[in-house]
This record gives sequence, structure tokens and C-alpha cells, in this order.
Amino acid sequence: DTAVSQTPKYLVTQMGNDKSIKCEQNLGHDTMYWYKQDSKKFLKIMFSYNNKELIINETVPNRFSPKSPDKAHLNLHINSLELGDSAVYFCASSREVGAGYGYTFGSGTRLTVV
Amino acid sequence: SQQGEEDPQALSIQEGENATMNCSYKTSINNLQWYRQNSGRGLVHLILIRSNEREKHSGRLRVTLDTSKKSSSLLITASRAADTASYFCATDREYGNKLVFGAGTILRVKS
Repeated sequence: DTAVSQTPKYLVTQMGNDKSIKCEQNLGHDTMYWYKQDSKKFLKIMFSYNNKELIINETVPNRFSPKSPDKAHLNLHINSLELGDSAVYFCASSREVGAGYGYTFGSGTRLTVV
Repeated sequence: SQQGEEDPQALSIQEGENATMNCSYKTSINNLQWYRQNSGRGLVHLILIRSNEREKHSGRLRVTLDTSKKSSSLLITASRAADTASYFCATDREYGNKLVFGAGTILRVKS
């Protein structure tokens, strides 16, 4: 049973296209996150949702739009893809926000924009 | 901005040796966590230490936290080739509602 699953695992697309990454967790966690890991392995938070409500939006270009249809799902839609968007995107979940629990990460989506 | 700075950036040791990685941070925290990332995989939570704790153990892992120096260390004892991975510290800041990750230490254990 995969706790946090992301699809697709790899995504290669041309500049200017629109793409989506899906994430689902079966842990019953209340909070979900999107993190971006760049080529130097730096991990930076992008968004956080708690019970379908957006609570963190970290100065991410508005070409990135998260959507949480229910607390088990957090999808990421990216419009007008740019070369600089190439990275690995990780979805994660945790039991509560700021309550001191570890995060469970998905295996990542490697996005390559050409 | 990155909250944590890890040191060293890379570490190469022989199987059976101990590996120590250090993390420094800048602001007050609720807790500090360590994660492992194998190549091409997601991050795996290893251990969490709260701001009122000084030391914690989990199997071959020992974590210390010094809030006066804003630093933490992760010790892996009797390392194995399977411990080869990147290790990240992450801080849960007061009122932050998110984990902020350091740059990571790449550990290579040679068999």
C-alpha cells in the first residue's frame, strides 16, 4: 500500500504547455504539501493545504495552481511551463499542521521542460 | 531562504565506521527532524526531536539538539552500504506551519 502516491513519475514537456501532477494519500492525514527540489537538491515548500483549505502559498508564480478536491488529494496544475520549472516535485502529507509530526513524502515527479 | 545549513556537504566513510552530520538553523523551533533520501527517491522521515529534548535514539541513529547554539547532529553508528543517501535536517519553526529543509549531506558508505 503506497502511503503517498504521485503521478506521473516522469514528465517531459515543451515550453508553453500546461501540465498537471496528481497526489493522493491514504494515511488519513489532514495536511498536504507540495515541495520543489531543484538540481542542487534544495527543497522548498510551495503550497500547503489543511482539510482542503490553502494555508501556505510561498511566493510561487501564479502559473502554479494547487487544487484539493478532498483532504486525501492535492493536485498541482502548471500553466505556460518554462525551462526554469524543470525540477523534482514532491507531494507530502502530515497528521496536523505545525503539531510536530513527521511528513510522509511521495516518490516525486521529475518534470523536464524542453 | 534555507533555514538549515548542513555540514559537511559530503562525507565518505568505510562500512562499519560512524557517520556524523551537523545542522545549524537560525530561528526558534518547535522541533527538528532528519530525513533520508536515496537517489531518485522521496524523502523518508528518520527521527524527530522536540525543542525541549536534548538527545534521542532510534536504532543506530542518535540525534542531539542544542537550542542555545541552534544546532543539531545526527550520528549513524556502524554504518552500512545501504546507508548511502542524502540526509536532510528540517526545522518546524514556531508559528511556521511548515518544515524548512537544509541543503543536505551526501553520505557515501564504501563496502
